[in-house]
Amino acid sequence: EPEVTQTPSHQVTQMGQEVILRCVPISNHLYFYWYRQILGQKVEFLVSFYNNEISEKSEIFDDQFSVERPDGSNFTLKIRSTKLEDSAMYFCASSEVFTEAFFGQGTRLTVV
Amino acid sequence: KNQVEQSPQSLIILEGKNCTLQCNYTVSPFSNLRWYKQDTGRGPVSLTIMTFSENTKSNGRYTATLDADTKQSSLHITASQLSDSASYICVVSAYLRQAGTALIFGKGTTLSVSS
Repeated sequence: EPEVTQTPSHQVTQMGQEVILRCVPISNHLYFYWYRQILGQKVEFLVSFYNNEISEKSEIFDDQFSVERPDGSNFTLKIRSTKLEDSAMYFCASSEVFTEAFFGQGTRLTVV
Repeated sequence: KNQVEQSPQSLIILEGKNCTLQCNYTVSPFSNLRWYKQDTGRGPVSLTIMTFSENTKSNGRYTATLDADTKQSSLHITASQLSDSASYICVVSAYLRQAGTALIFGKGTTLSVSS
């Protein structure tokens, strides 16, 4: 069964460093999303991406964040200069045009 | 403002017992409502998905109901098992032309099933 895959499963980085979280969405999906979940809190929307551009972003998705679809299969989330409060689980999701979104297993980001 | 409220926040039940989780929402334009199960440290996994015209939908021991008039949904778990221990998240989706599927998450109900 097709699934969304994310790598790495756990990333530890020092404050101020750049991190890139990677996702391979389901191959025929057109919409891609990043969500995050701080420990003990609810899942929060970061950004949606369609037709090679950002279609919607939340107030959390500031200039420190960027997304790319560099090669037609990968979908990446970059955090330029990580802060302690960026520590969270980051989930990638993808969907077809008007169907449910499927989530990856997440990347646990720990900023120290 | 689009919001999804869930209750109770947490719940402890004995194995074999039934339970019902509640979800109230204010989301517009409403497209569908999903219940997800999220094990600790894992991604959410969809249990059921209902459009506004569906009142009830079952998936094994899980039965979801939807009242689109009162904007309420419930998830009923029958004959609970230890493996049901997880967070159950109500997610309401709106289809926005530019953003695709906009998912609004509730905070979840943490269910603990004990033997």
